[in-house]
Amino acid sequence: RKEVEQDPGPFNVPEGATVAFNCTYSNSASQSFFWYRQDCRKEPKLLMSVYSSGNEDGRFTAQLNRASQYISLLIRDSKLSDSATYLCVVNLLGNQGGKLIFGQGTELSVKP
Amino acid sequence: GAGVSQSPRYKVAKRGQDVALRCDPISGHVSLFWYQQALGQGPEFLTYFQNEAQLDKSGLPSDRFFAERPEGSVSTLKIQRTQQEDSAVYLCASTDGSSYEQYFGPGTRLTVT
Repeated sequence: RKEVEQDPGPFNVPEGATVAFNCTYSNSASQSFFWYRQDCRKEPKLLMSVYSSGNEDGRFTAQLNRASQYISLLIRDSKLSDSATYLCVVNLLGNQGGKLIFGQGTELSVKP
Repeated sequence: GAGVSQSPRYKVAKRGQDVALRCDPISGHVSLFWYQQALGQGPEFLTYFQNEAQLDKSGLPSDRFFAERPEGSVSTLKIQRTQQEDSAVYLCASTDGSSYEQYFGPGTRLTVT
């Protein structure tokens, strides 16, 4: 079983739609949580951190449920420029040195 | 300022050849990570340096893989006797240690034929 699991998609949605991605992680020692965005043939870039209280950045809302070991990302009013792969990422503290553990990624395609 | 740079951007190697991939982290960044990303997958951790010390190499897939960072800045990932399964994008990331955000380089796309 992978440490971080995501539905690979693809999710094909029209502009303006709301789309939600989910992710589960297996290691209860995970301390930090993120969503990264990766455009085709580019490097991953941090989209947002995810906090237990939930957090919002413009059209993007992230939620964390530690009890269920579940992370979500909601994108409202989708834009064409949101088309990318969204990577769910966790981080283990301590002597692990902050290495990131990535999910497979969920591909999003926003169509006109 | 300058981001993380990697070279070469593309490398084609014949099976059995040795390759060396270079990473220049953001100036002053203490921590440096190498990841391997196979097609259609998320990046997977290979190894981690704090300054010149290699603190975690648990992700290196075999003893053909070797990484170093002798002066605590530039790092080299070396793969000996390349195999077809080594074909992937190799990503380098660095962080200053004050936050969890890792800044990734553009990657080196390695194709082993």
